[in-house]
Amino acid sequence: AQSVTQPDIHITVSEGASLELRCNYSYGATPYLFWYVQSPGQGLQLLLKYFSGDTLVQGIKGFEAEFKRSQSSFNLRKPSVHWSDAAEYFCAVGGLSGNTPLVFGKGTRLSVIA
Amino acid sequence: GAVVSQHPSWVICKSGTSVKIECRSLDFQATTMFWYRQFPKQSLMLMATSNEGSKATYEQGVEKDKFLINHASLTLSTLTVTSAHPEDSSFYICSARDPGAGVGETQYFGPGTRLLVL
Repeated sequence: AQSVTQPDIHITVSEGASLELRCNYSYGATPYLFWYVQSPGQGLQLLLKYFSGDTLVQGIKGFEAEFKRSQSSFNLRKPSVHWSDAAEYFCAVGGLSGNTPLVFGKGTRLSVIA
Repeated sequence: GAVVSQHPSWVICKSGTSVKIECRSLDFQATTMFWYRQFPKQSLMLMATSNEGSKATYEQGVEKDKFLINHASLTLSTLTVTSAHPEDSSFYICSARDPGAGVGETQYFGPGTRLLVL
């Protein structure tokens, strides 16, 4: 069965510090992987996605993620966090079929302190 | 990128009434839309897959008679919560896949509808 695990429920980092959010997945075929960000009371915004090719993916707002097939991981990173990055981050996995919905992890809440 | 809208953005209703939530793809045609539900501080849980011109496919545990889904056109899917009760209060989010976006599951999410049942 498809599943996504985000081991960290809540992470707090200082503004300007680096960030890594962990994501592990279980998927029976070639996965399509996504990271979304959700601000309080808002919908989801796509940060980046991986389909194939280069395993290091660049996204918006200075985020990047690296796909590691051997570890079934797709960790999200940012070299220097800004206070506006405080939000909920969701990792998701999907398939090739157009009728395949995304499976989401439980999310990681990021707090940024001065 | 493609835009998906939802209406209303929030709604308060009395217990026992029905509430309709609309999900529209604004600049593309979506043969498939998905409805998710999100409880506070939790992840998105898929409720159903809405297919244009056919019956929706519901996830296990989701009451199809309570959560009526209609995908009457390629740009509109509606979710009707019938005889709403306080436990139906939640954040409902739809997504639509843009088949013209190329490879992969490029889904676009609506901004969500917050439902509060009193």
